[in-house]
Amino acid sequence: EAGVAQSPRYKIIEKRQSVAFWCNPISGHATLYWYQQILGQGPKLLIQFQNNGVVDDSQLPKDRFSAERLKGVDSTLKIQPAKLEDSAVYLCASRFTSGRYQETQYFGPGTRLLVL
Amino acid sequence: SQQGEEDPQALSIQEGENATMNCSYKTSINNLQWYRQNSGRGLVHLILIRSNEREKHSGRLRVTLDTSKKSSSLLITASRAADTASYFCATGGYQKVTFGTGTKLQVIP
Repeated sequence: EAGVAQSPRYKIIEKRQSVAFWCNPISGHATLYWYQQILGQGPKLLIQFQNNGVVDDSQLPKDRFSAERLKGVDSTLKIQPAKLEDSAVYLCASRFTSGRYQETQYFGPGTRLLVL
Repeated sequence: SQQGEEDPQALSIQEGENATMNCSYKTSINNLQWYRQNSGRGLVHLILIRSNEREKHSGRLRVTLDTSKKSSSLLITASRAADTASYFCATGGYQKVTFGTGTKLQVIP
């Protein structure tokens, strides 16, 4: 079974530039998450999708961050414009919405972003 | 904000020893999960314990949960160098999963 795919793996940009991350969840996983993990901390939830609808985006800085999940499969997360404090690893995760393992999230390898 | 707080923040042990890490959380939960994160990689689910369970085992892992104290512990027995990673507790389940701050475990061969 293929895992959660993310790209790019690494990105270096200058502040005020824009950047986009892509995530392809495990086939059949209706729920998709984006997390921000700053060095030395645990992942912080940015947004949760159920199919192509937003379930929770209360911690998404909406003035600069946006995310979409067209057709309920792939998702993109965008930052525009980036700030120095956005330097972090951006993790995508997905899970089933029913069944025995529905509470288990499967994570991608993450995209490491450095803002200079 | 972080729901869970793990301690210790860092732990260094010799291969073959047991490693124990603790997680405290603030609000009532339906379940608590533990994840492992190897350096530079995504998180991997280890084990889930429900609020009506007190102890759960999976291979060399043992998890306990004390809902009266709002705390959980993860014990890794007979540690191996490959167990070197950061370990996070997570609460939430279906909605708004919140991760703790993590314990960084180093197992010295």
